[in-house]
Amino acid sequence: QVQLQEPGPGLVKPSETLSLTCTVSAGSISSSYWSWIRQRPGKGLEWIGYINYSGTTKYNSSLQSRVTMSVDTSKNQFSLRVTSVTAADTAVYYCARGYYDNSGEKTLDAYDIWGQGTMVTVSS
Amino acid sequence: SSDLTQDPAVSVALGQTVRITCQGDSLRSYYASWYQQKPGQAPVLVIYGENNRPSGIADRFSGSSSGNTASLTITGAQAEDEADYYCHSRDSSGNLVFGGGTKLTVL
Repeated sequence: QVQLQEPGPGLVKPSETLSLTCTVSAGSISSSYWSWIRQRPGKGLEWIGYINYSGTTKYNSSLQSRVTMSVDTSKNQFSLRVTSVTAADTAVYYCARGYYDNSGEKTLDAYDIWGQGTMVTVSS
Repeated sequence: SSDLTQDPAVSVALGQTVRITCQGDSLRSYYASWYQQKPGQAPVLVIYGENNRPSGIADRFSGSSSGNTASLTITGAQAEDEADYYCHSRDSSGNLVFGGGTKLTVL
């Protein structure tokens, strides 16, 4: 069973860069696509973006100027960087495996496997 | 705000049926997937596509769609179904997006 783990820094200072890495175990990163999703305290889920094994990315337009995702297939890992963080970036950050299928009547996306999440607090 | 609209809260009596809806124009072109999230836990996929359940998800969960609305139905709600439920799909520009979430209370 594929598992995802995304240990985090816990605390990041305002204006600095948040960096997270998700490790894929018991499976290959060279399939599906891989996403970061966050959840601010008491709020809903917010899609940050995705990356596939070849490095193709798509980001939430509201975060695009500050977000970069990368993939390291040799380590079965993918990463997230968010620059110039503020208190509004305080959230639980999840990594997730995406499933995509456009062979049917409609296009389907789903996240079938999630990491346990890591809380990142932006504070001085 | 989200391109996918959900009712903030819904309640259901134990053992009864409840439908949670998700509205958005993009749902005419894209399927919704549904996630259950309990406090302090990561979301869990419960329904994807037309009406598909991942392994391990109880068969009281089902999905449907009509026009611009996708629905998650729980037939015979149990106490352990009390949770937040999120729909997920793409917006009109093809970007991935979540609905605002529905808090389900089982009475």
